Amino acid sequence: QLQLQESGPGLVKPSETLSLTCTVSGGSISSSTYYWGWIRQPPGKGLEWIGTIYYSGSTYYNTSLKSRVTISVDTSKNQFSLKLSSVTAADTAVYSCARLVYGSGLFKSFNYMDVWGKGTTVTVSS
Amino acid sequence: SYELTQPPSVSVSPGQTASITCSGDKLGDKYAGWYQQKPGQSPVLVIYQDTKRPSGIPERFSGSNSGNTATLTISGTQAMDEADYYCQAWDSSTHVVFGGGTKLTVL
Repeated sequence: QLQLQESGPGLVKPSETLSLTCTVSGGSISSSTYYWGWIRQPPGKGLEWIGTIYYSGSTYYNTSLKSRVTISVDTSKNQFSLKLSSVTAADTAVYSCARLVYGSGLFKSFNYMDVWGKGTTVTVSS
Repeated sequence: SYELTQPPSVSVSPGQTASITCSGDKLGDKYAGWYQQKPGQSPVLVIYQDTKRPSGIPERFSGSNSGNTATLTISGTQAMDEADYYCQAWDSSTHVVFGGGTKLTVL
């Protein structure tokens, strides 16, 4: 059974870089079928997609965060990582990693997140 | 950028049918998915590709998508279905977009 586990500091100072890692177990991150992504949820608010990566290293980022986000993959460790630079209090959130399925039907394309990590809380504060 | 709009809240009596809508420009031309999130838990996929249910999701959950609106329908709503629900779609420009979420209250 595939499992995803986020890890990283729970407290980051303003202006510094937030760094998180997602470890994939029970399956290979190098599967050609899936993509891998980061989603966050500020306290009391909705879900916000941060970005997605393929095992080859191809990435897609939320345009509102693109200038500060880097997502990378380490296939040898079955992990992928998130770096968010120049953080402020507005970046305080639960950060979750997830597996994404992409595909196409007869006339339209899709993606969805079928497996999620439990999430990790990151607080930005001095 | 592409946007999805959901009502902030929906209320339903136990055993009745709950409908949660998700609106976006020509959303019917895209596939929609739905996630259930209970307090303190990660989201769970309940509908994908408009109408499909993942293994383990009860049959009372169903979805539809046409025109500008996707709808999540919960038939015979149970107390355990009380949660936040998020719609989600793929868009060529936005890539992954979520709706703002709907709090379903069963009372």
